[in-house]
Amino acid sequence: QSVLTQPPSVSAAPGQKATISCSGTISNIGNYVCWYQQFPGSAPKLLIYDDNKRPSGIPDRFSGAKSDTSATLAITGLQTGDEAEYFCGAWDTSLSAWVFGGGTRLTVL
Amino acid sequence: EVHLVESGGGVVQPGGSLGLSCTASGLIFPDYALHWVRQPPGRGLEWVARVSADGLDIFYSASAKGRFTISRDNIKSSLYLQMNSLTIDDAALYYCAKEEISGGGLDFWGQGILVTVSS
Repeated sequence: QSVLTQPPSVSAAPGQKATISCSGTISNIGNYVCWYQQFPGSAPKLLIYDDNKRPSGIPDRFSGAKSDTSATLAITGLQTGDEAEYFCGAWDTSLSAWVFGGGTRLTVL
Repeated sequence: EVHLVESGGGVVQPGGSLGLSCTASGLIFPDYALHWVRQPPGRGLEWVARVSADGLDIFYSASAKGRFTISRDNIKSSLYLQMNSLTIDDAALYYCAKEEISGGGLDFWGQGILVTVSS
């Protein structure tokens, strides 16, 4: 049972927009939220940090937003290459621990 | 470019111990906090431990506390994880990861090292 809750799967058509939610509490979502993309057999890759900032090289098709105890990753102009597992993460001040969501499998069909 | 390379994984019996290392390059190592994160086969990410840039502030997950020890050597640009009293639930791919300077994410990850716990 993950501290942060994500839907197990999300699907959308190529060229469309997909959104992945991440819900928690003020103890975690109230801090900076980050998002990771992971392909099978590869290490996670940081997509979004500090709620809504993109590391160098991450296209602006990826964006992050946050409200109260929920965060959202949006991916526009979906491509088949975006099919991957996506995880949210944040520092939890109550637990004094980094916490992750259970992951969301994105299918582009 | 930042590179993190884990080593030390392998097969260990339940109740045994294992030490992991992570060697970093391409960054000013003493400037950054570092983490260990693990991922059981076919499952999600599980945070294990964090050590501050100066090595003085350390945090552990509930499952790691009391059994695992994270440490770093800022001269050798290396991160370590000593794991004792291992159980089958500790079997996973273990990643070392660098914390982004603002603390808002883990921006570089190693390729991971496999730990198998089996009798």
